[in-house]
Amino acid sequence: AQKVTQAQTEISVVEKEDVTLDCVYETRDTTYYLFWYKQPPSGELVFLIRRNSFDEQNEISGRYSWNFQKSTSSFNFTITASQVVDSAVYFCALSGDTNAGKSTFGDGTTLTVKP
Amino acid sequence: EAEVAQSPRYKITEKSQAVAFWCDPISGHATLYWYRQILGQGPELLVQFQDESVVDDSQLPKDRFSAERLKGVDSTLKIQPAELGDSAMYLCASSRDRGKMSPLHFGNGTRLTVT
Repeated sequence: AQKVTQAQTEISVVEKEDVTLDCVYETRDTTYYLFWYKQPPSGELVFLIRRNSFDEQNEISGRYSWNFQKSTSSFNFTITASQVVDSAVYFCALSGDTNAGKSTFGDGTTLTVKP
Repeated sequence: EAEVAQSPRYKITEKSQAVAFWCDPISGHATLYWYRQILGQGPELLVQFQDESVVDDSQLPKDRFSAERLKGVDSTLKIQPAELGDSAMYLCASSRDRGKMSPLHFGNGTRLTVT
């Protein structure tokens, strides 16, 4: 069975601080994809990034960076110099062959960035 | 990019009443999903369509829930009769194709409150 765990329920930081959101996953699949989504107060989940299980190269996109470590089954997300607009719920998701491609979501981490 | 349209945005209904939600996916997206998101949790898949066919409804409470996508475009999710435990956010998503690598594009959701 697939499982995604986001141990941090809520995180609160002050603007300009760096913050890392943790994601740990479980799967028996050899090939799988990991995703991060952002859900602002408006409710719409927005896709941020996708990584496949064969690509452990970490990625930086502006203030966002992702650290994928297969050895520890983790796919962490870091926001550098956080801004108030980053306040949202962030979800990590996993999709693999076991569930016929269905995405399994974690329970999310609520990030609050205070001015 | 075009958005996934959902309506209504909010719905309040009394238990034992019928309720329906509508979704129009991004044009050209063959795969459509209905997710339910309980407050404080990640989305859980209710039903997945490929064109007009249901490919997964294993988590859909079929005694009270039904879903259709008659022409392979827009979709309707119905609950009859609604129960108090159905209060949640109902999210529609679409993807370009079926498969584990395709990110999901979500609508704004319908917030259902059953009283």
